[in-house]
Amino acid sequence: DADVTQTPRNRITKTGKRIMLECSQTKGHDRMYWYRQDPGLGLRLIYYSFDVKDINKGEISDGYSVSRQAQAKFSLSLESAIPNQTALYFCATSDPGQAPLYSTDTQYFGPGTRLTVL
Amino acid sequence: AQSVTQPDIHITVSEGASLELRCNYSYGATPYLFWYVQSPGQGLQLLLKYFSGDTLVQGIKGFEAEFKRSQSSFNLRKPSVHWSDAAEYFCAVGAGGGATNKLIFGTGTLLAVQP
Repeated sequence: DADVTQTPRNRITKTGKRIMLECSQTKGHDRMYWYRQDPGLGLRLIYYSFDVKDINKGEISDGYSVSRQAQAKFSLSLESAIPNQTALYFCATSDPGQAPLYSTDTQYFGPGTRLTVL
Repeated sequence: AQSVTQPDIHITVSEGASLELRCNYSYGATPYLFWYVQSPGQGLQLLLKYFSGDTLVQGIKGFEAEFKRSQSSFNLRKPSVHWSDAAEYFCAVGAGGGATNKLIFGTGTLLAVQP
């Protein structure tokens, strides 16, 4: 079974609808992240969480919210979807214990959710 | 500000030929560098990473990368490409270890492999 799973894998919705993307992990990592990928732009960080009580905005958090329900679960919500939120969304996890002190943890990615907003 | 540049948007190589994908970074402190591969319909898989030490790093699937501080580069290489290597490749620099653990990604290089 995959260590990082995302549901749904594909979703088509309409402008104005509320959408939730879910991420679960069995890696036992405390840190989790949400990114979006757009063609020609690489990946950009939306939100990140270093533990269940810690939520932080990334570089493009407007229009999104998150919930860390447990160590293993991190959900991304679009309260009112708009067409320019059409993208590929990735969840990732990391463990600071695997990296040298003050370095950057290695992040492990889920398979992605392709979201289309009409 | 930190940034990563992958100058080649699209590269086509013949199967069995050698490959080099370019990556240049801009970061004032010690860089932590990563290469990821994204196969069609798949998530990102870590190929290799550089934190410190030997500047030539070996990764999975026969890939290697060389860190050159003087050129601010971390180019990915493979001596003989296989058709299964066709994918998109992303270089990333770790910026903000500790407080944010932020990764800055390049825009990717799409690799096509000709038979």
